[in-house]
Amino acid sequence: SQTIHQWPATLVQPVGSPLSLECTVEGTSNPNLYWYRQAAGRGLQLLFYSVGIGQISSEVPQNLSASRPQDRQFILSSKKLLLSDSGFYLCACDSYTGELFFGEGSRLTVL
Amino acid sequence: AQSVTQLGSHVSVSEGALVLLRCNYSSSVPPYLFWYVQYPNQGLQLLLKYTSAATLVKGINGFEAEFKKSETSFHLTKPSAHMRDAAEYFCAVTGNQFYFGTGTSLTVIP
Repeated sequence: SQTIHQWPATLVQPVGSPLSLECTVEGTSNPNLYWYRQAAGRGLQLLFYSVGIGQISSEVPQNLSASRPQDRQFILSSKKLLLSDSGFYLCACDSYTGELFFGEGSRLTVL
Repeated sequence: AQSVTQLGSHVSVSEGALVLLRCNYSSSVPPYLFWYVQYPNQGLQLLLKYTSAATLVKGINGFEAEFKKSETSFHLTKPSAHMRDAAEYFCAVTGNQFYFGTGTSLTVIP
């Protein structure tokens, strides 16, 4: 089955600084990949999904961007962080059995 | 369009009591339905899924859910709560993408 690695696990950044969160997937090829965000005490918000290298769909206009430079690599970025970007970011990929597999998450605190 | 509604953002049960977490779905096509669990500061882990086979689905950790088309429901149950069941639970339905509910936080009282 798939394994998803996310890093860093925890990040504290000042407002206005850049961001790069990385996600890599093992155990599958050509997966659909997703970035979700959880704000404190709230549900999952789909930010981006990708069906292939260089193919990114954005669900919510915002301060963030995503890239997929390789088949099993998905990167979430920002040029200038806002306070509202704080949250728990989850990378996920789908599987041939229909479910989503999730990484362990990256907790971002913007100060 | 697909969507799910989880009734009750917070549920508290005593250890050993029945756990019932509610999920109602809306789908224009036969749905695939899922329950996920999230422990603090971790990703989501699949508990169980319904994919149009048996309507009573058994999952990990003693949880099960029953698909009821007439009620458009997919409630999650466990006969006897354990302290380790305290977590956030998410119901989800698939269409062209996954649609998650807003989650239910389960507290287990010793």
